Amino acid sequence: AQSVTQPDIHITVSEGASLELRCNYSYGATPYLFWYVQSPGQGLQLLLKYFSGDTLVQGIKGFEAEFKRSQSSFNLRKPSVHWSDAAEYFCAVGAVTFSGGYNKLIFGAGTRLAVHP
Amino acid sequence: ETGVTQTPRHLVMGMTNKKSLKCEQHLGHNAMYWYKQSAKKPLELMFVYSLEERVENNSVPSRFSPECPNSSHLFLHLHTLQPEDSALYLCASSQEIIAGELDTQYFGPGTRLTVL
Repeated sequence: AQSVTQPDIHITVSEGASLELRCNYSYGATPYLFWYVQSPGQGLQLLLKYFSGDTLVQGIKGFEAEFKRSQSSFNLRKPSVHWSDAAEYFCAVGAVTFSGGYNKLIFGAGTRLAVHP
Repeated sequence: ETGVTQTPRHLVMGMTNKKSLKCEQHLGHNAMYWYKQSAKKPLELMFVYSLEERVENNSVPSRFSPECPNSSHLFLHLHTLQPEDSALYLCASSQEIIAGELDTQYFGPGTRLTVL
């Protein structure tokens, strides 16, 4: 069965420090992978996605993620964190159906990021 | 207005009330979704509509009743809810291409529901 694991529930970093959020997935085929961010009281905003091609994906707000098939991972990185990056981050894998014509996103439990000044 | 909008943003209701959540997408998509986000639980997919037809109902209790009158609007009708139904309800939309392919889902800001 498809699943997504985000091993870190909470992470705290200092402003200006680098960041890596981990995501591991279980999926039988080539996955569609996503990172979303959710600020308090808000919906989910798409940061970046991987469908195919270059395994290093650039997103908004200076984020990037690297797809590593051998490790079943899609870790999110940012070289220098800003206080406004404090939020909850969700990794998701897209499960494609070959009948019914709709897709399904399977989300991880999320990683809450706190940024110290 | 662009993107996916949801109203109301906050809703407090008693267990005997009937209320409705509304979602509208301005992206020209043809698939819409309801998710439930509870504290300390992963997002749960509740319903999927594709081309205005319900294609998935994830064992959701009948006190939640979705309606999709057209490809731009999605409702979630609520009646006789329980306190454990308190959560953030998120709507999303996407463009379904063909079976076997997948498009990005775009989310609304959510409705924070509190059941007393």
